[in-house]
Order: sequence, then C-alpha cells, then structure tokens
Amino acid sequence: EDKVVQSPLSLVVHEGDTVTLNCSYEVTNFRSLLWYKQEKKAPTFLFMLTSSGIEKKSGRLSSILDKKELSSILNITATQTGDSAIYLCAVWRGGSNYKLTFGKGTLLTVNP
Amino acid sequence: DAGVTQSPTHLIKTRGQHVTLRCSPISGHKSVSWYQQVLGQGPQFIFQYYEKEERGRGNFPDRFSARQFPNYSSELNVNALLLGDSALYLCASSLTGLATEAFFGQGTRLTVV
Repeated sequence: EDKVVQSPLSLVVHEGDTVTLNCSYEVTNFRSLLWYKQEKKAPTFLFMLTSSGIEKKSGRLSSILDKKELSSILNITATQTGDSAIYLCAVWRGGSNYKLTFGKGTLLTVNP
Repeated sequence: DAGVTQSPTHLIKTRGQHVTLRCSPISGHKSVSWYQQVLGQGPQFIFQYYEKEERGRGNFPDRFSARQFPNYSSELNVNALLLGDSALYLCASSLTGLATEAFFGQGTRLTVV
C-alpha cells in the first residue's frame, strides 16, 4: 500500500517567519513528487520533483527531493498571511497502475 | 485559457440514488484523474484515464465507475449512494498520463442525505 506522510499536521507562525514542511513516502515504482497549496477547493500546483529535477524554487517557495531518504521538504521564507493554507504532498507511482497518492496535508496559519 | 471545469458545483442526493459528475480538462490535455476528498484528509485517488483508457484505479468499490470521451472530457458515476460518499470530488487534468503535473478543477461538492 502506497503511503505519503506529512508533518507537522498543523503549524502556526508569525508573518516573516520561515517554515519547513516535511513529506516522506513509501511508494512502489516512484515517478515524481508534487506539492500543492489548497485554500478553498481546488489544490493549486506548486512544484514537481523527479529524479532529474530534485530542487525547485519559485519566489519565496522552494522544495528539495531526497530520493535516498524518500522524502521532500517545502520551504517558505518571509511568510505572509496569504500563505495560510493547507499544503499537500503527493507522489505518482508508475508501472501498470498509475496512481497519485496524497498525504493528509499540513495546515499552515500565518498570523499578522 | 480555460482551466479544468467541473459540473455541477454542488449536488444533493438521497441514499440509493445514482450520480454523474462531469469534467472538462485543460485544452490539449489528454489525461483526466478523479479524487474524493473528505474534510481533514488529502484527496483520495479514484481513477485515471489517458487517451480514453483506464490507466489507474484506486481502492474504491465497484459502485464507482468512470469513462473518458473522444474529446478527453470525463464522467464519474457513483451508484447506490451511501451517506459516506458525501465529499468533495475533484478532477485533475494532465498533459499526458505519465506522472506529470496535474491541475485541478474547483470540484463538485456532493451531499448524500
């Protein structure tokens, strides 16, 4: 059974803080790891990490994939109240049954 | 460019009824996948279709079925609805079905009473 575990489950910080969200996985036939931000309904795509692209950065957000440790981190620097959301990690498996498995998410609250 | 569109946005059904949810992918995308999300949980994978063929299936009962049409739009059907089927149903589209970025629609909120 594929498994994706995120930690912490929730986090409260002040504006300007830096946060690190964690994701570990146990997935057969790993293909890629994706990060999403979910505020109301639709998860919004942030990054995709693969064996050939283990580090991504966009503005204040960055992510690294550690294939040896089967984990990834999402960093957010200089947090803003607009960063408050649920951050979801998901992993694609390949092979005969393609499947995207999500973790439960990390609820980030950024207070002014 | 239009994103992923889902219809309807909200739906209330009675136990035992049947429901059909619809999804139109981003133009040029050939893969659609379906997810069920209950409060406090991450989305749970139901199906993936690529080029009108089922490429992946999650751990859902046979009451759940789906198909993809020649224009790459998709339907998710759920028969014999149970109270536990109440959830947000999300559709995502990908350029291909091969573990690429998946972009989500706004979802259909299904309530079973």
